[in-house]
Amino acid sequence: QQQVKQSPQSLIVQKGGISIINCAYENTAFDYFPWYQQFPGKGPALLIAIRPDVSEKKEGRFTISFNKSAKQFSLHIMDSQPGDSATYFCAASSSGGGADGLTFGKGTHLIIQP
Amino acid sequence: DAGVIQSPRHEVTEMGQEVTLRCKPISGHNSLFWYRQTMMRGLELLIYFNNNVPIDDSGMPEDRFSAKMPNASFSTLKIQPSEPRDSAVYFCASSFRGGTTEAFFGQGTRLTVV
Repeated sequence: QQQVKQSPQSLIVQKGGISIINCAYENTAFDYFPWYQQFPGKGPALLIAIRPDVSEKKEGRFTISFNKSAKQFSLHIMDSQPGDSATYFCAASSSGGGADGLTFGKGTHLIIQP
Repeated sequence: DAGVIQSPRHEVTEMGQEVTLRCKPISGHNSLFWYRQTMMRGLELLIYFNNNVPIDDSGMPEDRFSAKMPNASFSTLKIQPSEPRDSAVYFCASSFRGGTTEAFFGQGTRLTVV
């Protein structure tokens, strides 16, 4: 079964610190790697996404680093704020068929302490 | 646009009863996905429609589950008969084109089968 493995399961970071969440995938056909943010009682919402033609993408305080050879990608949240406290999911999908829907990691529960 | 609309938001039913979950995707989106979220298994893709046609239903757990998309603006997920292990949050998501463009999630339906 196609898998995306995410770590850590939970993370506590002080306000102003850097939050780092890691994911690894197996299917080399994956060519789209988004990160979703979910607040309690809400559906997941896209935070930032990357395609394998670049090794890094930055949007504001959020950065994705992508290592194609290692089949790994990570989310960095700079200057973490209490409002960033949420569950974060990495995901992957393929435009080539066979994996059209997103395969999600198990999620990381992030708490930013004031 | 109001986003992806799911109904009902909460459903409590007795084991053995039929349950129907409803979804209205974002207008203009040609792809629709049904996901199930549980603590143990995370977010799982159940079925993917493209242009109202089911493309991948390999995630549908059993024959008790069925999904339809009679037109571009409406989809249903039916469970018959329901079982306690079906208790979960069910999300519908839509995207402009396939699984490698941003998927917009609804608020979800929290299903409890007693």
